[in-house]
Amino acid sequence: RKEVEQDPGPFNVPEGATVAFNCTYSNSASQSFFWYRQDCRKEPKLLMSVYSSGNEDGRFTAQLNRASQYISLLIRDSKLSDSATYLCVVNRQDGNYGGSQGNLIFGKGTKLSVKP
Amino acid sequence: GAVVSQHPSRVICKSGTSVKIECRSLDFQATTMFWYRQFPKKSLMLMATSNEGSKATYEQGVEKDKFLINHASLTLSTLTVTSAHPEDSSFYICSANLGAGIQETQYFGPGTRLLVL
Repeated sequence: RKEVEQDPGPFNVPEGATVAFNCTYSNSASQSFFWYRQDCRKEPKLLMSVYSSGNEDGRFTAQLNRASQYISLLIRDSKLSDSATYLCVVNRQDGNYGGSQGNLIFGKGTKLSVKP
Repeated sequence: GAVVSQHPSRVICKSGTSVKIECRSLDFQATTMFWYRQFPKKSLMLMATSNEGSKATYEQGVEKDKFLINHASLTLSTLTVTSAHPEDSSFYICSANLGAGIQETQYFGPGTRLLVL
């Protein structure tokens, strides 16, 4: 299994649609999970951290299933401005919180295109 | 909020020259910064971890003599691409950590687009 694997995409959806992205990770010791979005020719920007109980921020809901090593992102009522590549990101930190030993492992990203 | 800046945003240079890219954390101190490279339509690849006051840690396959990293202060890390060649043309992005432990999050600079002719 790849370290971080995402839906290949692209996802082409109409405005207002609900879209879900899935991601799996291989390191069961990973402790931190994130969704970033990256616009074309721009840097990644943090969208959401993913907490064990799941979390919601407006139209965005992130969920984590540690048993299955699976992370998801749900976007409701999608907007044209949601068009971007969504990156599933896992901290390589191996459960050692004692220092900044970890770094981020990025999935290849899933491209979302929201059409009018 | 946390802001990381990079300079320059874009550089075009001749083959064989060296290019220095600066990464600054603007409103927080970063003992660790990371340098990534991204080729078109590919995922971000970590090149090295920059540690303030000590040597950088390079990922496998990244030449430390080719990509010189200096982290001289808590707010500045530099990446120098020495004797650049066309295959070094890429999007270089730095990031800095904020928070600790499970709350640790990385914030990215805007990136530097390097084109070597």
